[in-house]
Amino acid sequence: DVKVTQSSRYLVKRTGEKVFLECVQDMDHENMFWYRQDPGLGLRLIYFSYDVKMKEKGDIPEGYSVSREKKERFSLILESASTNQTSMYLCASSLAGKYNEQFFGPGTRLTVL
Amino acid sequence: AQKITQTQPGMFVQEKEAVTLDCTYDTSDPSYGLFWYKQPSSGEMIFLIYQGSYDQQNATEGRYSLNFQKARKSANLVISASQLGDSAMYFCAMRAYRGGATNKLIFGTGTLLAVQP
Repeated sequence: DVKVTQSSRYLVKRTGEKVFLECVQDMDHENMFWYRQDPGLGLRLIYFSYDVKMKEKGDIPEGYSVSREKKERFSLILESASTNQTSMYLCASSLAGKYNEQFFGPGTRLTVL
Repeated sequence: AQKITQTQPGMFVQEKEAVTLDCTYDTSDPSYGLFWYKQPSSGEMIFLIYQGSYDQQNATEGRYSLNFQKARKSANLVISASQLGDSAMYFCAMRAYRGGATNKLIFGTGTLLAVQP
């Protein structure tokens, strides 16, 4: 079974802190994704990566950066956390190719105070 | 622009009855894929079913079927014989093709399904 894990289920940070959200997948998937989920807005893509050290902006990249130094690990970085970044963050991975489904991690609920 | 619309924020269904969750989409690309995911209260997104734009038959997976009406641009999820464990948020999603990256998904806002005993 594909397994996507995220470093924390719940995280509380202060405004201005640098925050790292880690995601690891164990199925050698080429693609990895970071979404945020907010009530009434569904899931919105922040960044994705289709290979090691490769990344592309999604729909809402402002205030975020990412890092993919190894194939299995994709990190989301909030350089200076703000209260409007309080949200559920979901990581996903998939094989390359048009029609492969994405497999999701359990999510990290981040609260910025 | 590519878009997914789910017009039902929430629904009730009686246990053992069938329920249809609506999804309409908008794309100008002739080749696309449509997905349904389930998100229980635990938070994890679970893939349910996939329909390709060129598939001749509606997709089915166990109690899940996808009512694909291409001309109407709709891809409704039908759950037969609802169970209490089906209570969850359901998301419709479409594969987007932008700038050569072919694995982005666009999600709808979701429908919260509550199955009543």
